[in-house]
Amino acid sequence: SQQGEEDPQALSIQEGENATMNCSYKTSINNLQWYRQNSGRGLVHLILIRSNEREKHSGRLRVTLDTSKKSSSLLITASRAADTASYFCATDQTETSGSRLTFGEGTQLTVNP
Amino acid sequence: DVKVTQSSRYLVKRTGEKVFLECVQDMDHENMFWYRQDPGLGLRLIYFSYDVKMKEKGDIPEGYSVSREKKERFSLILESASTNQTSMYLCASSLPGQIYGYTFGSGTRLTVV
Repeated sequence: SQQGEEDPQALSIQEGENATMNCSYKTSINNLQWYRQNSGRGLVHLILIRSNEREKHSGRLRVTLDTSKKSSSLLITASRAADTASYFCATDQTETSGSRLTFGEGTQLTVNP
Repeated sequence: DVKVTQSSRYLVKRTGEKVFLECVQDMDHENMFWYRQDPGLGLRLIYFSYDVKMKEKGDIPEGYSVSREKKERFSLILESASTNQTSMYLCASSLPGQIYGYTFGSGTRLTVV
């Protein structure tokens, strides 16, 4: 079953605007992570938020986690054209063994100059 | 600069061929993973490994096998390539406990004709 589901599937904004992407999941988690993927490349880890944390910041990134709603959001402030990429949430589920992650299908973000 | 290296960026193979995809990491990570990425399906876990000579099936292991003879190297083997295995293959590694998330390779785009 699909664990992480991102919303929206695609987002197009102007440079300087904020971009918000959402992720919902179905089962209990140890942590939730966000990754970025430029076209045709591997994924790059952005930020990790543990299940006992509610908000985390890293530079222009802000991640929130609501375990009661089983959802997370990634906010990119003051977006730049270079932020154009696909963004994935990934969950480390408590019910699965070890450190495997389950990824969503991603949100394609386009930042127009 | 720490990294995960996948041996080929692009690969074209014929149906029925045995295909080897190689992945090497230089971070002394215990965990290594193979995913495939397809449009509309996101990333799906094929196999993973927690230690040398250890392997576990992911969500879609059929038609694949793996080998981990050394800690730094994790090989994905397509025993008899088929056209439905045409995909982007992504290797990743991590420390136990998901402290810093995954480090991904750049991916191998495999086309089976």
